[in-house]
Amino acid sequence: DAGVIQSPRHEVTEMGQEVTLRCKPISGHNSLFWYRQTMMRGLELLIYFNNNVPIDDSGMPEDRFSAKMPNASFSTLKIQPSEPRDSAVYFCASSLSEDQPQHFGDGTRLSIL
Amino acid sequence: EDQVTQSPEALRLQEGESSSLNCSYTVSGLRGLFWYRQDPGKGPEFLFTLYSAGEEKEKERLKATLTKKESFLHITAPKPEDSATYLCAVQAGANSKLTFGKGITLSVRP
Repeated sequence: DAGVIQSPRHEVTEMGQEVTLRCKPISGHNSLFWYRQTMMRGLELLIYFNNNVPIDDSGMPEDRFSAKMPNASFSTLKIQPSEPRDSAVYFCASSLSEDQPQHFGDGTRLSIL
Repeated sequence: EDQVTQSPEALRLQEGESSSLNCSYTVSGLRGLFWYRQDPGKGPEFLFTLYSAGEEKEKERLKATLTKKESFLHITAPKPEDSATYLCAVQAGANSKLTFGKGITLSVRP
């Protein structure tokens, strides 16, 4: 079975540019989560959706970050404008429901120069 | 605020040398404690969920246990392929988000 698919796997861009990260959850999963991982802070939740509706976005750092889930099989995380401190690995995860184990994609490694 | 602390930060074992990884947590209303394994360049891979104190789960050389304040991941006779970072996370209260510890990097030498 296909797992969570994220694209791109790597992204290098200059400060000020718009960055869009994409995620395809596991088919049939109703909950989708976006995390960011850094050496300093570890894995932190940014936002999560249940049945395509944003439930908790308290982890989104600031207004430069936005996330959408237009349908059950696709989500995006957008950063505009990007800054060097946004450099991190961004993970998407999905689960059957909010209480079930979350299954992670292999992440997008983002470098902002 | 939910807090998860893992110790030690890093652990080096000889193949066959059993040990335990610790995850201490402070939460209000634990709903579940999760263990994940993460290999370099990959996303976390789900291992176990524990829901209540006294619960135990096993998978191959790994056994996870839970008390009211901490969880242990016991590794019996580890092999080099068990080398990875092991992450602990809690889900608590009304929110479904996972709060992760910083992880324990395990290296098993042949």
